Amino acid sequence: DTAVSQTPKYLVTQMGNDKSIKCEQNLGHDTMYWYKQDSKKFLKIMFSYNNKELIINETVPNRFSPKSPDKAHLNLHINSLELGDSAVYFCASSQDLNWPYEQYFGPGTRLTVT
Amino acid sequence: LAKTTQPISMDSYEGQEVNITCSHNNIATNDYITWYQQFPSQGPRFIIQGYKTKVTNEVASLFIPADRKSSTLSLPRVSLSDTAVYYCLVGDMTTDKLIFGTGTRLQVFP
Repeated sequence: DTAVSQTPKYLVTQMGNDKSIKCEQNLGHDTMYWYKQDSKKFLKIMFSYNNKELIINETVPNRFSPKSPDKAHLNLHINSLELGDSAVYFCASSQDLNWPYEQYFGPGTRLTVT
Repeated sequence: LAKTTQPISMDSYEGQEVNITCSHNNIATNDYITWYQQFPSQGPRFIIQGYKTKVTNEVASLFIPADRKSSTLSLPRVSLSDTAVYYCLVGDMTTDKLIFGTGTRLQVFP
C-alpha cells in the first residue's frame, strides 16, 4: 500500500503554462507538506497544511497555490511556469504538528520546464 | 534556526560500520535531532530520532553527547543498498518545520 502518492511522476511543460501536481496520503495524518528539491539537492519546505488549514507559507512566488480539499489531499497548482521552477517536488505528511514528528514523503514529481 | 553541518560525502566498504557526524552548535533546548535517508529518485525516509544520549533501532544508532552540539548516526555493517544521501535535521519548534541541510552522500563499495 502506498502511504503518500503523487501524480504525475514526471511533468514536462513549456514556460508560461499552468500545471498541477496531486498528492494523497492514506495514513490518516492531519498535516501535509510540499517541498522543493533543486538540482543541488537542497530540500526546502514550501507549504504545510494542518487539517486543511495553511500553517506554513514560505517565501514562495504567488504563482504557486496549494489546495487542500480534505485532510488526505494537498494539491499544488503552479501558474505561468518559469525555467527556475524545474525541480523535484515532494509531498509529505505527518501525524500532526506536535513535536517531535516523523514525516512520510511521497516519491516526488520531477518538473521540467522548457 | 539551528543550523546543521555535515560532511558532503563519505566512502565505505560493505560490512564496515559507518559513522556520520553532524554539528548543530545552536541547538535549542526543546529541539530533537532527526536523520533521514534519501535514495536517488525517491523521497526522504525517516531513519532515527533522538533528544540525548543514545537511541537504537533496527537499522541504526544515534549518539548524542551531553552538550547536544553534535550527533552521530551509526550504520552497522553497511551494504551496497545503504548508498544514499543522509540528512541530519534539528527541529525548530518555533516554526514547526524541519530544516533539511545539505546532507552527506554515502557511497558503499563492494
